[in-house]
Amino acid sequence: GAVVSQHPSWVICKSGTSVKIECRSLDFQATTMFWYRQFPKQSLMLMATSNEGSKATYEQGVEKDKFLINHASLTLSTLTVTSAHPEDSSFYICSARSNRGAASNQPQHFGDGTRLSIL
Amino acid sequence: EDKVVQSPLSLVVHEGDTVTLNCSYEVTNFRSLLWYKQEKKAPTFLFMLTSSGIEKKSGRLSSILDKKELFSILNITATQTGDSAVYLCAVRYNTNAGKSTFGDGTTLTVKP
Repeated sequence: GAVVSQHPSWVICKSGTSVKIECRSLDFQATTMFWYRQFPKQSLMLMATSNEGSKATYEQGVEKDKFLINHASLTLSTLTVTSAHPEDSSFYICSARSNRGAASNQPQHFGDGTRLSIL
Repeated sequence: EDKVVQSPLSLVVHEGDTVTLNCSYEVTNFRSLLWYKQEKKAPTFLFMLTSSGIEKKSGRLSSILDKKELFSILNITATQTGDSAVYLCAVRYNTNAGKSTFGDGTTLTVKP
Protein backbone atom coordinates (compact mmCIF):
# COMPACT_ATOMS: atom_id res chain seq x y z
CA GLY A 1 0.00 0.00 0.00
CA ALA A 2 0.83 3.71 0.11
CA VAL A 3 1.91 4.05 -3.49
CA VAL A 4 2.57 7.45 -5.01
CA SER A 5 2.78 7.66 -8.78
CA GLN A 6 4.59 10.51 -10.46
CA HIS A 7 4.45 11.18 -14.18
CA PRO A 8 6.35 11.72 -16.38
CA SER A 9 9.57 10.23 -15.14
CA TRP A 10 11.73 12.11 -17.62
CA VAL A 11 11.14 15.19 -19.70
CA ILE A 12 13.44 16.89 -22.18
CA CYS A 13 12.13 20.07 -23.74
CA LYS A 14 13.13 23.38 -25.21
CA SER A 15 13.59 26.57 -23.27
CA GLY A 16 10.35 28.50 -22.93
CA THR A 17 8.15 25.42 -22.75
CA SER A 18 5.81 24.81 -19.86
CA VAL A 19 5.95 21.37 -18.31
CA LYS A 20 3.31 19.72 -16.13
CA ILE A 21 4.19 17.01 -13.63
CA GLU A 22 1.50 14.89 -12.00
CA CYS A 23 1.57 13.30 -8.59
CA ARG A 24 -1.08 10.75 -7.67
CA SER A 25 -1.67 8.81 -4.50
CA LEU A 26 -2.93 5.49 -5.83
CA ASP A 27 -4.33 3.72 -2.79
CA PHE A 28 -4.88 6.44 -0.24
CA GLN A 29 -6.20 9.95 0.04
CA ALA A 30 -3.87 12.82 0.75
CA THR A 31 -5.02 16.26 1.83
CA THR A 32 -1.44 17.42 1.71
CA MET A 33 1.25 16.71 -0.82
CA PHE A 34 4.75 18.12 -0.97
CA TRP A 35 6.89 19.11 -3.91
CA TYR A 36 10.66 18.89 -3.65
CA ARG A 37 13.55 19.72 -5.91
CA GLN A 38 16.82 17.86 -5.77
CA PHE A 39 20.07 18.86 -7.43
CA PRO A 40 22.78 16.26 -8.09
CA LYS A 41 24.39 15.01 -4.91
CA GLN A 42 22.28 17.32 -2.81
CA SER A 43 19.36 16.75 -0.55
CA LEU A 44 15.68 17.40 -1.10
CA MET A 45 14.68 21.03 -0.97
CA LEU A 46 11.04 21.62 -0.18
CA MET A 47 9.48 23.90 -2.76
CA ALA A 48 5.88 23.99 -1.64
CA THR A 49 3.15 22.31 0.31
CA SER A 50 0.14 21.48 -1.79
CA ASN A 51 -3.22 21.59 -0.05
CA GLU A 52 -6.32 20.03 -1.54
CA GLY A 53 -8.89 22.65 -2.38
CA SER A 54 -6.78 25.64 -1.43
CA LYS A 55 -3.68 27.51 -2.47
CA ALA A 56 -0.28 25.96 -2.10
CA THR A 57 2.14 27.25 0.49
CA TYR A 58 5.48 28.11 -1.08
CA GLU A 59 8.84 28.12 0.63
CA GLN A 60 10.88 31.25 0.72
CA GLY A 61 12.62 31.92 -2.55
CA VAL A 62 10.31 29.76 -4.67
CA GLU A 63 8.43 31.73 -7.30
CA LYS A 64 4.78 30.79 -7.18
CA ASP A 65 4.14 32.18 -10.65
CA LYS A 66 6.94 30.05 -12.00
CA PHE A 67 5.97 26.84 -10.27
CA LEU A 68 2.20 26.53 -10.41
CA ILE A 69 0.68 23.97 -8.11
CA ASN A 70 -2.84 22.64 -8.34
CA HIS A 71 -4.28 20.12 -5.88
CA ALA A 72 -7.67 19.49 -7.38
CA SER A 73 -8.54 16.28 -5.59
CA LEU A 74 -7.47 14.15 -2.66
CA THR A 75 -5.39 11.97 -4.93
CA LEU A 76 -3.86 14.36 -7.44
CA SER A 77 -1.51 17.30 -7.30
CA THR A 78 0.18 18.86 -10.30
CA LEU A 79 3.27 21.04 -10.61
CA THR A 80 3.62 23.14 -13.74
CA VAL A 81 6.98 24.68 -14.48
CA THR A 82 6.08 27.65 -16.62
CA SER A 83 8.35 29.00 -19.33
CA ALA A 84 11.09 26.63 -18.26
CA HIS A 85 14.73 27.60 -18.68
CA PRO A 86 17.93 25.55 -18.40
CA GLU A 87 18.37 26.60 -14.76
CA ASP A 88 15.08 24.84 -13.99
CA SER A 89 16.62 21.53 -14.97
CA SER A 90 16.50 19.34 -11.92
CA PHE A 91 14.96 16.29 -10.30
CA TYR A 92 11.49 17.06 -9.00
CA ILE A 93 9.93 14.73 -6.44
CA CYS A 94 6.49 14.76 -4.90
CA SER A 95 5.38 13.10 -1.71
CA ALA A 96 2.07 12.47 -0.03
CA ARG A 97 0.89 11.44 3.36
CA SER A 98 -2.25 9.47 4.06
CA ASN A 99 -5.21 11.16 5.71
CA ARG A 100 -5.95 7.98 7.63
CA GLY A 101 -5.47 8.18 11.38
CA ALA A 102 -3.36 10.91 12.92
CA ALA A 103 -1.55 12.70 10.13
CA SER A 104 1.42 13.32 12.34
CA ASN A 105 1.96 9.56 12.64
CA GLN A 106 2.03 8.94 8.92
CA PRO A 107 5.30 8.97 6.99
CA GLN A 108 5.57 10.67 3.64
CA HIS A 109 5.56 8.39 0.63
CA PHE A 110 7.46 9.57 -2.37
CA GLY A 111 6.85 9.35 -6.06
CA ASP A 112 9.68 8.13 -8.27
CA GLY A 113 10.54 11.67 -9.32
CA THR A 114 10.67 13.52 -12.61
CA ARG A 115 13.97 14.36 -14.22
CA LEU A 116 13.50 17.62 -16.09
CA SER A 117 16.06 18.69 -18.67
CA ILE A 118 15.60 22.03 -20.40
CA LEU A 119 17.68 22.57 -23.51
CA GLU B 1 17.61 28.82 11.35
CA ASP B 2 16.55 25.19 11.45
CA LYS B 3 19.27 22.68 10.63
CA VAL B 4 19.50 18.97 9.97
CA VAL B 5 23.10 17.79 9.70
CA GLN B 6 24.12 14.33 8.66
CA SER B 7 27.53 12.75 9.02
CA PRO B 8 29.57 11.42 7.48
CA LEU B 9 28.71 12.77 4.05
CA SER B 10 30.04 9.62 2.47
CA LEU B 11 31.25 6.26 3.62
CA VAL B 12 32.84 3.30 1.88
CA VAL B 13 32.83 -0.08 3.57
CA HIS B 14 33.12 -3.75 2.66
CA GLU B 15 30.39 -6.32 2.81
CA GLY B 16 29.85 -7.58 6.30
CA ASP B 17 30.92 -4.37 8.00
CA THR B 18 28.66 -2.52 10.42
CA VAL B 19 28.00 1.16 9.84
CA THR B 20 26.54 3.94 11.93
CA LEU B 21 25.08 7.01 10.30
CA ASN B 22 24.46 10.16 12.29
CA CYS B 23 21.84 12.86 12.14
CA SER B 24 21.78 15.88 14.41
CA TYR B 25 19.17 18.59 14.34
CA GLU B 26 18.30 22.00 15.59
CA VAL B 27 14.70 22.80 14.83
CA THR B 28 11.85 24.57 16.45
CA ASN B 29 8.62 22.71 16.85
CA PHE B 30 9.98 19.18 16.47
CA ARG B 31 7.50 16.40 15.88
CA SER B 32 9.45 13.38 14.62
CA LEU B 33 12.58 12.27 12.82
CA LEU B 34 12.47 10.06 9.77
CA TRP B 35 15.06 8.03 7.91
CA TYR B 36 14.84 7.31 4.20
CA LYS B 37 16.92 5.32 1.74
CA GLN B 38 17.38 6.79 -1.71
CA GLU B 39 18.79 4.75 -4.53
CA LYS B 40 18.33 5.86 -8.11
CA LYS B 41 14.88 7.31 -7.74
CA ALA B 42 12.88 8.73 -4.90
CA PRO B 43 13.41 8.00 -1.22
CA THR B 44 11.84 4.99 0.44
CA PHE B 45 10.75 5.17 4.04
CA LEU B 46 12.77 3.33 6.68
CA PHE B 47 11.87 4.56 10.15
CA MET B 48 9.95 7.24 11.97
CA LEU B 49 11.13 8.11 15.47
CA THR B 50 9.10 10.18 17.86
CA SER B 51 10.17 9.09 21.32
CA SER B 52 13.63 9.13 22.84
CA GLY B 53 15.43 5.91 23.64
CA ILE B 54 13.15 3.50 21.82
CA GLU B 55 15.00 1.54 19.20
CA LYS B 56 13.24 0.74 15.98
CA LYS B 57 14.45 -2.30 14.11
CA SER B 58 13.89 -3.78 10.71
CA GLY B 59 16.11 -6.68 9.78
CA ARG B 60 19.70 -5.50 9.76
CA LEU B 61 18.71 -1.86 10.16
CA SER B 62 17.97 -0.14 13.44
CA SER B 63 17.60 3.41 14.59
CA ILE B 64 17.24 5.37 17.79
CA LEU B 65 16.49 8.96 18.74
CA ASP B 66 17.92 11.09 21.55
CA LYS B 67 15.69 14.12 21.99
CA LYS B 68 17.83 15.53 24.77
CA GLU B 69 21.02 15.60 22.71
CA LEU B 70 19.07 16.21 19.48
CA PHE B 71 20.40 13.41 17.35
CA SER B 72 19.58 10.08 15.86
CA ILE B 73 21.67 7.21 14.54
CA LEU B 74 20.95 4.64 11.90
CA ASN B 75 22.82 1.35 12.22
CA ILE B 76 23.26 -1.20 9.49
CA THR B 77 24.84 -4.50 10.45
CA ALA B 78 26.35 -7.10 8.12
CA THR B 79 26.19 -4.69 5.22
CA GLN B 80 25.50 -5.93 1.71
CA THR B 81 26.14 -4.32 -1.66
CA GLY B 82 22.40 -3.70 -1.92
CA ASP B 83 22.67 -1.33 1.02
CA SER B 84 24.60 1.09 -1.16
CA ALA B 85 22.45 4.21 -1.34
CA VAL B 86 22.03 7.71 0.00
CA TYR B 87 20.49 7.69 3.45
CA LEU B 88 18.45 10.76 4.25
CA CYS B 89 17.39 12.04 7.61
CA ALA B 90 14.39 14.35 7.84
CA VAL B 91 12.83 16.22 10.71
CA ARG B 92 9.10 16.77 10.64
CA TYR B 93 7.61 19.86 12.21
CA ASN B 94 4.71 19.74 14.59
CA THR B 95 2.37 21.73 12.38
CA ASN B 96 -0.83 20.88 10.57
CA ALA B 97 0.94 20.48 7.27
CA GLY B 98 3.72 18.52 8.92
CA LYS B 99 6.38 19.58 6.45
CA SER B 100 9.89 18.24 6.80
CA THR B 101 13.45 19.49 6.48
CA PHE B 102 15.97 17.05 5.05
CA GLY B 103 19.63 16.65 5.79
CA ASP B 104 22.18 16.44 2.98
CA GLY B 105 22.32 12.69 3.21
CA THR B 106 25.06 10.12 3.73
CA THR B 107 26.23 8.28 0.64
CA LEU B 108 27.02 4.71 1.61
CA THR B 109 29.00 2.49 -0.74
CA VAL B 110 29.34 -1.16 0.17
CA LYS B 111 32.04 -2.98 -1.77
CA PRO B 112 31.98 -6.73 -2.31
